Amino acid sequence: AQSVTQLDSQVPVFEEAPVELRCNYSSSVSVYLFWYVQYPNQGLQLLLKYLSGSTLVESINGFEAEFNKSQTSFHLRKPSVHISDTAEYFCAVSDPGNTDKLIFGTGTRLQVFP
Amino acid sequence: NAGVTQTPKFQVLKTGQSMTLQCAQDMNHNSMYWYRQDPGMGLRLIYYSASEGTTDKGEVPNGYNVSRLNKREFSLRLESAAPSQTSVYFCASSESRLAGRGGNEQFFGPGTRLTVL
Repeated sequence: AQSVTQLDSQVPVFEEAPVELRCNYSSSVSVYLFWYVQYPNQGLQLLLKYLSGSTLVESINGFEAEFNKSQTSFHLRKPSVHISDTAEYFCAVSDPGNTDKLIFGTGTRLQVFP
Repeated sequence: NAGVTQTPKFQVLKTGQSMTLQCAQDMNHNSMYWYRQDPGMGLRLIYYSASEGTTDKGEVPNGYNVSRLNKREFSLRLESAAPSQTSVYFCASSESRLAGRGGNEQFFGPGTRLTVL
């Protein structure tokens, strides 16, 4: 069975500093990879996803993630964070089949300080 | 469009009581999901419905039942609530229109915070 590991449960960072949230997955076969974000007291929203093609994917608010097949990783990065990026971030994986069923990691809480 | 709506937002139950969590989506999506979110454990899939008329177990189905009432609505029922079911429950939906073509975004509701005493 597939699994997703997010090693960092919390990442504190100062505003305008760079950040990397780590994600590793277990499957050695083709997968689809996702990052979702959850702001306080809200549901999850899709941040970005990798299905195929370019291994670097970007979101509209400056985040990017790189699919690394050899290291089975999909780390999320942002060169300069804002206070508004404070949220919980979930990495997820699914099989390229006919369902959108997801396996989520345990989440990383990003806390941005002024 | 309201997206995915869930009722109620909050609920407190006593052990042994039953209740149904309601979920509806107005995006004409084929697939719907129920997750629970617990601290340090991320989201875990309880049940899902790939299309109207079908339901399947996820990772943690014990103690729950579901009904896909129609294409819009997917309810989650706790027949005899236990303290271990204290959690935040999220409903989600996705397109899943094309066979063999996954990777669609899941859209989430705002959640139901359930406490079982």
